[in-house]
Amino acid sequence: DAKTTQPPSMDCAEGRAANLPCNHSTISGNEYVYWYRQIHSQGPQYIIHGLKNNETNEMASLIITEDRKSSTLILPHATLRDTAVYYCIVRVAVKVNAGKSTFGDGTTLTVKP
Amino acid sequence: DAGVIQSPRHEVTEMGQEVTLRCKLISGHNSLFWYRQTMMRGLELLIYFNNNVPIDDSGMPEDRFSAKMPNASFSTLKIQPSEPRDSAVYFCASSFTGTAYNEQFFGPGTRLTVL
Repeated sequence: DAKTTQPPSMDCAEGRAANLPCNHSTISGNEYVYWYRQIHSQGPQYIIHGLKNNETNEMASLIITEDRKSSTLILPHATLRDTAVYYCIVRVAVKVNAGKSTFGDGTTLTVKP
Repeated sequence: DAGVIQSPRHEVTEMGQEVTLRCKLISGHNSLFWYRQTMMRGLELLIYFNNNVPIDDSGMPEDRFSAKMPNASFSTLKIQPSEPRDSAVYFCASSFTGTAYNEQFFGPGTRLTVL
């Protein structure tokens, strides 16, 4: 699995968009980009994933650069409940690999009133 | 669906005692992952199973740790004998490998304290 680099911490004002960057310069062609978050004292929660196209769901948007070496998770209207550690993970997603993930240190996002 | 169920939620034990952590997968899922989280080491993957078969146990710290899947929906992680450095939050997660992206669903965790 490719290694990722994320800033250790970020702040965001409530109601504003939170843009969390992730570098994955050694990503392989068959590796997906996944984002999870962990709210204090809870288990990690899946947010979104993508291969090369931008993706959007009810929680967030994922923007992947054309060369796939970096991506940005966007929370369009951050709330206080979005304060959490956000993990960017890259891994293959084929049946036999069973979805093994390697979590790094993540980015601690603090949403402030 | 109740999600991934872990028990106990908290466990306090003394060094040298056997500890068994339990996990029930989401119905229909066929992959199971055990993780350990500490402040020093972050979230580490210990072992994962696919269709009840251990696929990769390279993250298991040492022989004191063992994990099993006695059936398709249940797993145990055993530590024998336990040591203070085993104190951590242990998470299990399940997924369904029939999908294209293997999203993992995590349980609430078991906070283990070894005195």
